[in-house]
Amino acid sequence: GQQVMQIPQYQHVQEGEDFTTYCNSSTTLSNIQWYKQRPGGHPVFLIQLVKSGEVKKQKRLTFQFGEAKKNSSLHITATQTTDVGTYFCAPLTLANQFYFGTGTSLTVIP
Amino acid sequence: DTAVSQTPKYLVTQMGNDKSIKCEQNLGHDTMYWYKQDSKKFLKIMFSYNNKELIINETVPNRFSPKSPDKAHLNLHINSLELGDSAVYFCASSLPGTSVVGGGELFFGEGSRLTVL
Repeated sequence: GQQVMQIPQYQHVQEGEDFTTYCNSSTTLSNIQWYKQRPGGHPVFLIQLVKSGEVKKQKRLTFQFGEAKKNSSLHITATQTTDVGTYFCAPLTLANQFYFGTGTSLTVIP
Repeated sequence: DTAVSQTPKYLVTQMGNDKSIKCEQNLGHDTMYWYKQDSKKFLKIMFSYNNKELIINETVPNRFSPKSPDKAHLNLHINSLELGDSAVYFCASSLPGTSVVGGGELFFGEGSRLTVL
């Protein structure tokens, strides 16, 4: 099955530091969604990006879709302990199905 | 009311047994999914149903059989369980999305943790 790489796989940061996860595809993506999964929880939708070069912000979170629509990133400014979890990108395929990236697990050290 | 509900939440069973996981959504969505999340947190799509019709069937052993009695329910039956089937299974639902306008965000159930001994 299709799989999209995310880097890094794991990230430990001190509270207050910034964090970025990258989602990379070898093919052009139609659009991309981002999800957050807290430890022991289920994935929860964060945002969707559709346009080339699109940038969206949600408080301390900034999401970006690459100009070539082959990559995307999620940046968190000044992390807090509530940001702990695994962040997944989920590109939409031509068959209109979402496949999940490999995920980045974020640990925030207080 | 829980939007997407799965039962049971935990399932511990012996190798070789048959088990089922049930999923129901009350969001009025047409599309439902089963995802498997392994110990490394990889989320892999298994099946996708649209209005009771199978749309996607990834490379999943035929011991796994989804059943959709109506568009609000998608159950997963697993025959002859193996150790490698141990994982968290997530049900999800969505409205149709398109590549142009987007949409189709997934709503997940809380997951069913299956442990095969």
